[in-house]
Order: sequence, then C-alpha cells, then structure tokens
Amino acid sequence: GEKVEQHESTLSVREGDSAVINCTYTDTASSYFPWYKQEAGKSLHFVIDIRSNVDRKQSQRLTVLLDKKAKRFSLHITATQPEDSAIYFCAASRPNSGGSNYKLTFGKGTLLTVTP
Amino acid sequence: DPKIIQKPKYLVAVTGSEKILICEQYLGHNAMYWYRQSAKKPLEFMFSYSYQKLMDNQTASSRFQPQSSKKNHLDLQITALKPDDSATYFCASSPGTGGLEQYFGPGTRLTVL
Repeated sequence: GEKVEQHESTLSVREGDSAVINCTYTDTASSYFPWYKQEAGKSLHFVIDIRSNVDRKQSQRLTVLLDKKAKRFSLHITATQPEDSAIYFCAASRPNSGGSNYKLTFGKGTLLTVTP
Repeated sequence: DPKIIQKPKYLVAVTGSEKILICEQYLGHNAMYWYRQSAKKPLEFMFSYSYQKLMDNQTASSRFQPQSSKKNHLDLQITALKPDDSATYFCASSPGTGGLEQYFGPGTRLTVL
C-alpha cells in the first residue's frame, strides 16, 4: 500500500522567514495531495491541496510543489508568523476504481515552531 | 459553532467492553469517514460512507462497526475493546463523494485499560 514519509519531524524558524516541509510517497498512481494543520489540542484543519494534473499551487502565503517523477511534494510557507506554529501533516491518495480519492494516507507530521 | 460534533471528547473503557463513538456533521456533506490516530502509527483511514452506504472498510477487525442512522451521522461501535484500541478517533466529511477537502471533527480520545 501507499506509504507517505514526512522528512522533517521538527522544524524551527524565525518569524518572517520561510519554512519548507517535504514529503515523499510510494504509489505512482497517487493523484491527490492535501496538507493539514493541527494546532495543540485541536483537530486537523485543511490548509491546501494539489492534484497531480498541476505541479504548483499557491494560496496566499502557502505554496505546494509536486514533483511526480521524484514522487515528492512540499509545502512552502512564506513570511511565517507565530500563529503558523502547529503540526503539519501531508497526505496522499490514489483514486479507486470509481475515481474517488477519499482514502488518505498520512505522513507522521512535522512540528513547526515559529519563534518571534 | 462546531460543524462536526464528536461525542464524547474523552472516553475511558475497560478491556472487553463495548463503546459507541458519536459523530454528526452539519456541513451538508454527502460523505463521511473515520480515521484513527494512535501514538504508534500515523493517522490511519478506517471507513468511508457515502449517502449512508459503506464504500470502503480498511480495518482488519469486525470489532469496528460504523453505523449511519442519518446522512449526517456516522457513529463507530467498537466491541471487545483492547488496550491497543487506545487512540484518538477522528470523524471527517467531504462535500462530494470524491473525498477531496475532508473536514475533520475534534476527535474522541479513547483509552482502554
């Protein structure tokens, strides 16, 4: 089955700097890659996703890059703020026979700490 | 107001007992899911329901039984509880049945003694 590896278990940056979190996946058929943020004591919150028909997607300070050849995707956060501090999870999903991508396989998470 | 409600927030059970985890979503979504997050493993997909029908079951054990009485409800019954079942169980939902943009509930933290 699919395996998603999240390379950085922790990441510490200064406020205003950029942060990059990297993930790799094993299933070449995976086509959907969402990112989730989990603040301390809270649930997962969807932040951004990318589908395999594009290699870049941006939403405000967040950019996701997808390299299908390398089976790698990454989350870039620019101008980081203390409120960005959280655990970030990447996930991957391959479509089933009906074309649905509901089965998400998650990485173990990256704890991002943004210090003022 | 919370859009996905999970009850209870914390649950302590003894080995061998049975518990039901409640999930209700008020997002008008057509698909609902259960995931489990334990200390030992990453967040794991368990079940997928679409329009109250089971679409996928990735749990190896029949001790885990989802129950959907309404389109916006997806409860999880766990029987013959074991200490290894200790985890946080998250309910999620998505607007469409394709599984994109899943929204997660606050979770139920289950501890089995």
